[in-house]
Amino acid sequence: GQQLNQSPQSMFIQEGEDVSMNCTSSSIFNTWLWYKQDPGEGPVLLIALYKAGELTSNGRLTAQFGITRKDSFLNISASIPSDVGIYFCAGQLFGGSQGNLIFGKGTKLSVKP
Amino acid sequence: DVKVTQSSRYLVKRTGEKVFLECVQDMDHENMFWYRQDPGLGLRLIYFSYDVKMKEKGDIPEGYSVSREKKERFSLILESASTNQTSMYLCASSKRRGQGYTFGSGTRLTVV
Repeated sequence: GQQLNQSPQSMFIQEGEDVSMNCTSSSIFNTWLWYKQDPGEGPVLLIALYKAGELTSNGRLTAQFGITRKDSFLNISASIPSDVGIYFCAGQLFGGSQGNLIFGKGTKLSVKP
Repeated sequence: DVKVTQSSRYLVKRTGEKVFLECVQDMDHENMFWYRQDPGLGLRLIYFSYDVKMKEKGDIPEGYSVSREKKERFSLILESASTNQTSMYLCASSKRRGQGYTFGSGTRLTVV
């Protein structure tokens, strides 16, 4: 199936540092979404983006829908221990016959206090 | 808030058993999905449904079947459980195609 390339696969950072992760594809997307999964739980939606160039914030989180519609990034400012988890990007493919979301493989974030 | 409830958080089953994983959503969502999650492989789509009694195969349907007799309930069935089906199973739902999904808390299934 279609692939979303999410990077990095994992990050191990100091508390207080800023974090950046991204998703790229060779295909065009209508929608980009970012989810966070806490250990042992299901993913929870953090931010949804619907327009190319759109920049949206949710507290310390900021995400952008790339202008080419082929990528998106998520930034976390001033990380804290509860930011630990797996972050997934997801997108709806432009012209996709089913409209299902395609998911990246996730970025595992670990925070050192 | 939309709630997606998976009936069990942890399940241990024997090889060859028939296993039922239940998922219920309470916000009249049209679309429901079953994924499995394994380290390094991300979320892989097993089956999905856009309407009652409707089902479509996802990327890895082998060894699984589903049932959607009512709009709010989507069941995943392992006809004869095998050890390679040990995994975290996630159910999700959405109101419309392409909209963000709401996930359940997951069922961690171990087949011994």
